[in-house]
Amino acid sequence: NAGVTQTPKFRVLKTGQSMTLLCAQDMNHEYMYWYRQDPGMGLRLIHYSVGEGTTAKGEVPDGYNVSRLKKQNFLLGLESAAPSQTSVYFCASSYRERPEAFFGQGTRLTVV
Amino acid sequence: KNEVEQSPQNLTAQEGEFITINCSYSVGISALHWLQQHPGGGIVSLFMLSSGKKKHGRLIATINIQEKHSSLHITASHPRDSAVYICAVRHFGNEKLTFGTGTRLTIIP
Repeated sequence: NAGVTQTPKFRVLKTGQSMTLLCAQDMNHEYMYWYRQDPGMGLRLIHYSVGEGTTAKGEVPDGYNVSRLKKQNFLLGLESAAPSQTSVYFCASSYRERPEAFFGQGTRLTVV
Repeated sequence: KNEVEQSPQNLTAQEGEFITINCSYSVGISALHWLQQHPGGGIVSLFMLSSGKKKHGRLIATINIQEKHSSLHITASHPRDSAVYICAVRHFGNEKLTFGTGTRLTIIP
């Protein structure tokens, strides 16, 4: 019963490096989301997807790209990491008809 | 101004006390969520409400649609209830959630 799994859980990047965060869900959810969580702020939506092959921008999309080639996976990419992208990243998923969200355990990313 | 406001931001209480956390929002919604985030970081959904009241164990969530307000109550609080509690709303016709900044609850033995 994995639910929503994020990899990796921790990562330190140097400025300018690239990386991909993977989110996998085994609940056949249509919707998937990537959020970032920063001190003193609510979770902010980076990108989201309402189905396989579709993605859309959220509140803070700059500097990130996403892909959803398979229904169960949602990838978040940082092409050229910046210190401002130091944050905790959460993936979530939900059914279209039932908006209860299921969250991954988070990825703590530090860009130095 | 965040369209989802939570109060208080921080709350410290003694074990056994009755806890209330409040959430106010500014526009009509289709659903409101209460989430719990433990120190380890994981986020768990506690309740999803569109009207009335829901209860799960020692946790009770209520919502007043007319007043655009929801409360999360914890009865007989316990140190293991220490966590950040987050309110989030979903607007009509929108698949996205808008989050409050959270209430950090600490229960002292």
